[in-house]
Amino acid sequence: KAGVTQTPRYLIKTRGQQVTLSCSPISGHRSVSWYQQTPGQGLQFLFEYFSETQRNKGNFPGRFSGRQFSNSRSEMNVSTLELGDSALYLCASRSPGLAGVNEQFFGPGTRLTVL
Amino acid sequence: AQTVTQSQPEMSVQEAETVTLSCTYDTSENNYYLFWYKQPPSRQMILVIRQEAYKQQNATENRFSVNFQKAAKSFSLKISDSQLGDTAMYFCAFMIDDMRFGAGTRLTVKP
Repeated sequence: KAGVTQTPRYLIKTRGQQVTLSCSPISGHRSVSWYQQTPGQGLQFLFEYFSETQRNKGNFPGRFSGRQFSNSRSEMNVSTLELGDSALYLCASRSPGLAGVNEQFFGPGTRLTVL
Repeated sequence: AQTVTQSQPEMSVQEAETVTLSCTYDTSENNYYLFWYKQPPSRQMILVIRQEAYKQQNATENRFSVNFQKAAKSFSLKISDSQLGDTAMYFCAFMIDDMRFGAGTRLTVKP
């Protein structure tokens, strides 16, 4: 099985712009979660999507949004970028509900730099 | 709110020796999952080991084992026969509905 893929791997934007990141989960996984990783704040949960619905949300401003498509692929959007949004954005997929299969499998991440 | 604490920002160990990484968490829930993830310089998060809270037996995966103390809300990771490839950031994680991570421990295995 192919792993979780994320595109693009690297991205450079300027303040005020918006950005869209994409995540393709492992085949058969219907849950996709997004995380932001920074040296100062560590790994922080952004949101989780399951069957095209946002199921959980972390403590991030409304500039951070996401969606999930019928094929379980997910996109994350950040509008009005700020310097502090520079981070590694990780996507993870899982199959909740299957006994013994509750761990998340992570993608390689998208490194976003805001100038 | 669930929180995860890793009190050791950095640790080092000699190759072939044993090292234990600490993790504590705070929750009022009874059923949850605990994980240790490894993040090498490539930044790829790799699952090392997991533990279901309802299981009393400590999980083991080859050279990796945990000491799960539910009453103390402690979940430490023991790495035996440390190898150079074990050098990485190690994150403890707690999961009910979503996953919460500790701040991480940077482990260096010295030759």
